[in-house]
Amino acid sequence: ETGVTQTPRHLVMGMTNKKSLKCEQHLGHNAMYWYKQSAKKPLELMFVYSLEERVENNSVPSRFSPECPNSSHLFLHLHTLQPEDSALYLCASSQGGSFAAEQYFGPGTRLTVT
Amino acid sequence: TQLLEQSPQFLSIQEGENLTVYCNSSSVFSSLQWYRQEPGEGPVLLVTVVTGGEVKKLKRLTFQFGDARKDSSLHITAAQPGDTGLYLCAGANAGGTSYGKLTFGQGTILTVHP
Repeated sequence: ETGVTQTPRHLVMGMTNKKSLKCEQHLGHNAMYWYKQSAKKPLELMFVYSLEERVENNSVPSRFSPECPNSSHLFLHLHTLQPEDSALYLCASSQGGSFAAEQYFGPGTRLTVT
Repeated sequence: TQLLEQSPQFLSIQEGENLTVYCNSSSVFSSLQWYRQEPGEGPVLLVTVVTGGEVKKLKRLTFQFGDARKDSSLHITAAQPGDTGLYLCAGANAGGTSYGKLTFGQGTILTVHP
């Protein structure tokens, strides 16, 4: 049990839908991350929140909108997605200030855009 | 942009064989992590190596960090079907940030046949 949970585990949505992915960490960490994992590509960092402030936004299209209401919760709001956005979306957390930067991942949400 | 080249991309072996996965970069990392990911799940942290030349063992798995902290290897002795999965290396660069930023390799898909 990694201490990072994600819901839903699977999501199928149409291109005109609006949905949200949820992540919760129970590790007392102060940094949270969203990654996209597609076949045959390295993990792509999307967003980083440190102390509830967004510190990285890696050229992610505006149809992805993150929200971090507190240090334990992270959301990814989705709207008007494209089929190429189908992927495994992973949430991770870490303890900022640790130079070893160990990140702990949730099980992911498998997103399919139809 | 830092890059991590991981090789081989695919490895299919028989139970009982030994194998080595490599992770190489032209960049120096403050630490390097190895993760294992099973289908439909998130990556699980196996080990973190921090010091150049460091060797860590986890049962049948041996991890080494290069002297210059630019490369790493994972060696598995007497592989078992339970070792099957995606192995990911990730380099950390903690300089100047309050959180951990990881650069991931593309991963090695290992299949161990009974």
